Amino acid sequence: DVKVTQSSRYLVKRTGEKVFLECVQDMDHENMFWYRQDPGLGLRLIYFSYDVKMKEKGDIPEGYSVSREKKERFSLILESASTNQTSMYLCASSLQGARGYGYTFGSGTRLTVV
Amino acid sequence: DQQVKQNSPSLSVQEGRISILNCDYTNSMFDYFLWYKKYPAEGPTFLISISSIKDKNEDGRFTVFLNKSAKHLSLHIVPSQPGDSAVYFCAAGNTGANSKLTFGKGITLSVRP
Repeated sequence: DVKVTQSSRYLVKRTGEKVFLECVQDMDHENMFWYRQDPGLGLRLIYFSYDVKMKEKGDIPEGYSVSREKKERFSLILESASTNQTSMYLCASSLQGARGYGYTFGSGTRLTVV
Repeated sequence: DQQVKQNSPSLSVQEGRISILNCDYTNSMFDYFLWYKKYPAEGPTFLISISSIKDKNEDGRFTVFLNKSAKHLSLHIVPSQPGDSAVYFCAAGNTGANSKLTFGKGITLSVRP
């Protein structure tokens, strides 16, 4: 069964900490995405990557960075966590050229910044 | 600027009746549209899609209708079942934009037994 695995289901971090959210997919997908889900705001794209070492900003990149050193792994980094980054973070992957039905999402990481 | 809009945050229907979930978009470059379903503590899963060259796509109990002139699509669920209770996201994409999707805010559907 193909999967997108997010390393943690729940995280609690302190304000100012550097936070790493890890995502691994086993489908050999080229595209990987990070979204955050907030009540009343839906899914908002933070960053995405079409290939190893490539990254592009989404709609809300401020306060975040990403790393994609290997095809299967896409990491989201909160350089200095703040309380407004408390959210559900969702990673997704898809094949190059695939339409949206090709998205496979992970189960999400619920991050709380205190 | 919200390009995909789901203006109703919630919908409650009786089991066995029809659920109609609406979605509007503003970007005329979108050429395919999708609905995703999300249960709590799980990632969204693909439900159904439609290309801009069609006006209807059906898959079992789920039908999506597209009205391009109105920039409006809707998801019909007939008959609704309690297991359909979830958050439904409308999403849109542009084939030339390399799979990047724009999502709406989502609508919470509750199906009462």
